[in-house]
Amino acid sequence: AQTVTQSQPEMSVQEAETVTLSCTYDTSESDYYLFWYKQPPSRQMILVIRQEAYKQQNATENRFSVNFQKAAKSFSLKISDSQLGDAAMYFCAYRSAKGEIQGAQKLVFGQGTRLTINP
Amino acid sequence: NAGVTQTPKFRILKIGQSMTLQCAQDMNHNYMYWYRQDPGMGLKLIYYSVGAGITDKGEVPNGYNVSRSTTEDFPLRLELAAPSQTSVYFCASSYSRQAYEQYFGPGTRLTVT
Repeated sequence: AQTVTQSQPEMSVQEAETVTLSCTYDTSESDYYLFWYKQPPSRQMILVIRQEAYKQQNATENRFSVNFQKAAKSFSLKISDSQLGDAAMYFCAYRSAKGEIQGAQKLVFGQGTRLTINP
Repeated sequence: NAGVTQTPKFRILKIGQSMTLQCAQDMNHNYMYWYRQDPGMGLKLIYYSVGAGITDKGEVPNGYNVSRSTTEDFPLRLELAAPSQTSVYFCASSYSRQAYEQYFGPGTRLTVT
């Protein structure tokens, strides 16, 4: 079974600075997807960024980018120019790409990292 | 479009009571999921459905039941509520197996005392 580990329960950063959140995962599969979700105090789960394992190029979405190291099974999230609205819980998640297996699109989540932005 | 909606937002149950958490989506998604989020933890899959009439267990199905009679609705039933079921429950949906994104509802905070 796949597992996802986020080793930083809490992180803080000064507004406008850059912060990196860590995530490692364990899988025997070669084809999969990785995600970062943001959960603000409203509890709504918001997709921040995704990465396909078959792509070597790291995904970017505006101020958010990832460092995907497939061999090391590492998937970190970098937030540049941090803003107060970035304060939230961030969850790393894994999903198998085995499309022929029923239910293979289930998400496996890490424990989360609480990010605080200091003004 | 409303997306994924969940009712109620909050509920307090006494031990042994039963209730149904409602989930509906208006995006014509075939795949629907129920997750629970315990304090300080990530989400864990309870049950999922790949279409009307088809459901299957996730990681933590004990104490729950589901049904999927329509594409839009995916209710989660708690029988004989226990304190261990105190959690926040999220419903989600996605269009297909290959769809990248699961769309989440706002969650239901359930307390069992």
